[in-house]
Amino acid sequence: QKEVEQDPGPLSVPEGAIVSLNCTYSNSAFQYFMWYRQYSRKGPELLMYTYSSGNKEDGRFTAQVDKSSKYISLFIRDSQPSDSATYLCAMSARGNTGKLIFGQGTTLQVKP
Amino acid sequence: DTAVSQTPKYLVTQMGNDKSIKCEQNLGHDTMYWYKQDSKKFLKIMFSYNNKELIINETVPNRFSPKSPDKAHLNLHINSLELGDSAVYFCASSLYGGGGAYNEQFFGPGTRLTVL
Repeated sequence: QKEVEQDPGPLSVPEGAIVSLNCTYSNSAFQYFMWYRQYSRKGPELLMYTYSSGNKEDGRFTAQVDKSSKYISLFIRDSQPSDSATYLCAMSARGNTGKLIFGQGTTLQVKP
Repeated sequence: DTAVSQTPKYLVTQMGNDKSIKCEQNLGHDTMYWYKQDSKKFLKIMFSYNNKELIINETVPNRFSPKSPDKAHLNLHINSLELGDSAVYFCASSLYGGGGAYNEQFFGPGTRLTVL
């Protein structure tokens, strides 16, 4: 069993829809939670970062962390065709190695 | 200006060959990483270096050897290439090596390796 589980999709939604992306994890030592966006044939880029539990909002994006359930989510409001990409969750434990554990990534397509 | 760059972008080679991938960052970061992304988009850490010192050394075949000549460069040498080495290899860098706000990792564009 992988430390971080993420449904690879693909997920297809119409433009303007609310998108919900999720990851579950098993390692209770994870403290830092990230969402990366990866466009086709590009490197991942950091989209959202959250420390420990709680919510964080940035424009149309909201990241949620529920450590008690070992569950994190990314919500995209008013989705746009430009949001079409693979979304990877990533996590790390407190420490000085910087080791990130990634989920498999969910491929999202937003249709105009 | 490109923050994290990798060469080559594409690499097609025969089984058994030895090849190298180069990475350079101009962000002034202390820590650099190598990741492997397989055909299912699963991204996995291989190595990291902090200021030329090996920090993360995951369980990868010893045919893979990283080398950091200085903190702005991290190369990956692969000996005796196998079919299963076909993947996209990403280099990344971060300001520090610790987990946390300063651990935002900036990724390069990737090197797509195909072993025939």
